[in-house]
Amino acid sequence: KAGVTQTPRYLIKTRGQQVTLSCSPISGHRSVSWYQQTPGQGLQFLFEYFSETQRNKGNFPGRFSGRQFSNSRSEMNVSTLELGDSALYLCASSLDRGSAEQYFGPGTRLTVT
Amino acid sequence: GENVEQHPSTLSVQEGDSAVIKCTYSDSASNYFPWYKQELGKRPQLIIDIRSNVGEKKDQRIAVTLNKTAKHFSLHITETQPEDSAVYFCAASYNNNDMRFGAGTRLTVKP
Repeated sequence: KAGVTQTPRYLIKTRGQQVTLSCSPISGHRSVSWYQQTPGQGLQFLFEYFSETQRNKGNFPGRFSGRQFSNSRSEMNVSTLELGDSALYLCASSLDRGSAEQYFGPGTRLTVT
Repeated sequence: GENVEQHPSTLSVQEGDSAVIKCTYSDSASNYFPWYKQELGKRPQLIIDIRSNVGEKKDQRIAVTLNKTAKHFSLHITETQPEDSAVYFCAASYNNNDMRFGAGTRLTVKP
């Protein structure tokens, strides 16, 4: 089985722009969660999607949004980028809600200049 | 919401020694506690997990213990090897939803 994939792997944007990141879960996995990883803040939960619905949301401003498609692929969008949004964005998939193991993708490294 | 604290932030041990990383959590409803290992430039990988109905779980050189009353859980690595060097994250969640991570422990195993 192919693992979790994320595109693009690297991205450079300027302040004020917006960005869309994509995550394809492991085949058959229906839950996708997104995390932001920075050296100073560690791994922070952004949101979780299941059955095309956002089920949980972390403490991030409304500039961060996401969605999930019927094939379980997920996208996250960040609008009006700020320098502090520079981070590694990781998605993780799991078989189902309440299913234990989460498997991470390689991440998208976003740099905002 | 859940808050997870992890200690120590850095840990250096000699090859062959044991390493222990400790985490505490705040939400008594949390029932799933995974540990992830992240090597430099790589994605976090699940190495072991424990559910709240179990007090201890072991997988070869790795073990995790959970004290629900005190709301803390620990990772134990025995007979450490240089390849164990990585950042380790603990996490807590209720049914794997809204997973909250500790700040990470950078483990260095000196040969």
